[in-house]
Amino acid sequence: AQKVTQAQTEISVVEKEDVTLDCVYETRDTTYYLFWYKQPPSGELVFLIRRNSFDEQNEISGRYSWNFQKSTSSFNFTITASQVVDSAVYFCALSEGGSGSARQLTFGSGTQLTVLP
Amino acid sequence: ETGVTQTPRHLVMGMTNKKSLKCEQHLGHNAMYWYKQSAKKPLELMFVYNFKEQTENNSVPSRFSPECPNSSHLFLHLHTLQPEDSALYLCASSQDGLAGVSDTQYFGPGTRLTVL
Repeated sequence: AQKVTQAQTEISVVEKEDVTLDCVYETRDTTYYLFWYKQPPSGELVFLIRRNSFDEQNEISGRYSWNFQKSTSSFNFTITASQVVDSAVYFCALSEGGSGSARQLTFGSGTQLTVLP
Repeated sequence: ETGVTQTPRHLVMGMTNKKSLKCEQHLGHNAMYWYKQSAKKPLELMFVYNFKEQTENNSVPSRFSPECPNSSHLFLHLHTLQPEDSALYLCASSQDGLAGVSDTQYFGPGTRLTVL
């Protein structure tokens, strides 16, 4: 069975600080996909990134960066120079590939990030 | 309209009412999903449709009845709900989950449901 753990329930930082959101996953599959979504107060989940299990290269997109480490089953998300608009709930999710339920996303419980001005 | 839209955005209903939630995707996708998001709980997958056929039903009570008339529209019919069904109901779509490939799911803004 697959599982995603986001141990940080809430994080508060002051604007311009860097912040890292942790995500640890469990899966028995060798082929799987990891995702991060942002949920602002409006409610819509906004897709941020998708990673497959064969690509461990870290990725940077503007102020966002992701660190995927299979050795520790982690897919952490860092926001550099945080801004008030980054305040949201962030979800990490896992989908197993291969046969079976390829489309089922398992979500972590989310991390509420508050960026204070 | 672009992306995934959901109506209504807010709904208050009594336990004896019948109502429907609507989802429409404008992305040309073939798979659609219903999720439930309750306070303090992870998102729960309810139903999956691929090419209008239901492929997943995660032990959802029969008081929730999905309908997918075509690949662009998805409904969730609600009947005799309980107060614990109050939640944010999110719709999502993806291109088409071929075996071995996990497509990215794009979400709508959700319907905030309150059952009195």
